[in-house]
Amino acid sequence: SAVISQKPSRDICQRGTSLTIQCQVDSQVTMMFWYRQQPGQSLTLIATANQGSEATYESGFVIDKFPISRPNLTFSTLTVSNMSPEDSSIYLCSVGQGRIPYGYTFGSGTRLTVV
Amino acid sequence: EDKVVQSPLSLVVHEGDTVTLNCSYEVTNFRSLLWYKQEKKAPTFLFMLTSSGIEKKSGRLSSILDKKELSSILNITATQTGDSAIYLCAVDHLANAGGTSYGKLTFGQGTILTVHP
Repeated sequence: SAVISQKPSRDICQRGTSLTIQCQVDSQVTMMFWYRQQPGQSLTLIATANQGSEATYESGFVIDKFPISRPNLTFSTLTVSNMSPEDSSIYLCSVGQGRIPYGYTFGSGTRLTVV
Repeated sequence: EDKVVQSPLSLVVHEGDTVTLNCSYEVTNFRSLLWYKQEKKAPTFLFMLTSSGIEKKSGRLSSILDKKELSSILNITATQTGDSAIYLCAVDHLANAGGTSYGKLTFGQGTILTVHP
């Protein structure tokens, strides 16, 4: 299965600023996904990112707040913009590989604290 | 609305006990059900289930899917303190946006398992 390198591992940010999270995959993958896990909650899908097309955002998430780039088949970034303390969460990228149904692999996660 | 529900939400047991975690789902265009273990940040894969009634085993862990009842169970026998974690159930299914279908995972709330020595 794919190996995903996610950076940064953790960060503490001031409200009103933005943070960009990077995911690098060791093989080419079609589907990449970004999730948020708020404290004490389960994982919620933010968006699905396919190379060469705009990301598909889930209900409750908008591009202005969570812009995503997917410049090639091994890399993606998620930016958390104009942060508030409510954005404090773990952010995870994931890839789907192989034949459908996919095996899904997760990055190591980014723990974001907004103060 | 697509939904995955896990029970119990938390469970405290002693080493050596056997536990059963439950997952039920209501989704459109089901593809598979997955179980993950989350200890720190990243969920680690346990099982993928696609066919009803076929048990998957890995050591002390086993899982089975019932597509008629839209549910799955995860069993852990002879629990150890290292089994303490959040266990997540997720369903892979097709969703639609703007006339385009795409696969997505919908997660349950998770079961927090604590195993005491």
